[in-house]
Amino acid sequence: EAGVAQSPRYKIIEKRQSVAFWCNPISGHATLYWYQQILGQGPKLLIQFQNNGVVDDSQLPKDRFSAERLKGVDSTLKIQPAKLEDSAVYLCASSRQNLGNTIYFGEGSWLTVV
Amino acid sequence: AQSVTQLGSHVSVSEGALVLLRCNYSSSVPPYLFWYVQYPNQGLQLLLKYTTGATLVKGINGFEAEFKKSETSFHLTKPSAHMSDAAEYFCAVNEAGGTSYGKLTFGQGTILTVHP
Repeated sequence: EAGVAQSPRYKIIEKRQSVAFWCNPISGHATLYWYQQILGQGPKLLIQFQNNGVVDDSQLPKDRFSAERLKGVDSTLKIQPAKLEDSAVYLCASSRQNLGNTIYFGEGSWLTVV
Repeated sequence: AQSVTQLGSHVSVSEGALVLLRCNYSSSVPPYLFWYVQYPNQGLQLLLKYTTGATLVKGINGFEAEFKKSETSFHLTKPSAHMSDAAEYFCAVNEAGGTSYGKLTFGQGTILTVHP
């Protein structure tokens, strides 16, 4: 079974520029998550999708971050304009719909804002 | 809101020694609990999880954890450390209820160092 795919793996941009990350979840997984992991901290949920609908985006900085999951499969996370404090690993994850099911993570997209 | 506290941001052990990584949680409902491992420059890999049933849970690579409701703990152990166990370990709780069930809340992580 193929895992969660993410791209690009690494990105360096200047502050105020924009960046987009792509995620393809495990086939059949209805729930998709984007987490932000700042160096030295645990991952923090940015947004959770159920199929193509948003069920939790309470921690997403909506003035600069946006995410979509068209057709309930792939997802894109965009940051515009980027700030220095956005330097982090952006982890995409997916799971089946039921509570307690394992959440599978991709390898992450590493963002450095200079 | 649920939370997770991992006691000790760094743990150092000798190869062959017992590994004990501590995790305490707060939850107003029965939690689902997870341990993930993260190797350098990689994503998170599930070690083990507790949902219901037996409170002693066995995972991959010889790790196990015990859910103790009275102590609100879910400590991770391994009888004998191996050099390949060096990584960062995260404890997480699954929030139940509402529309965002399934969301994981993570602890801050514990870096495990294994000395020869």
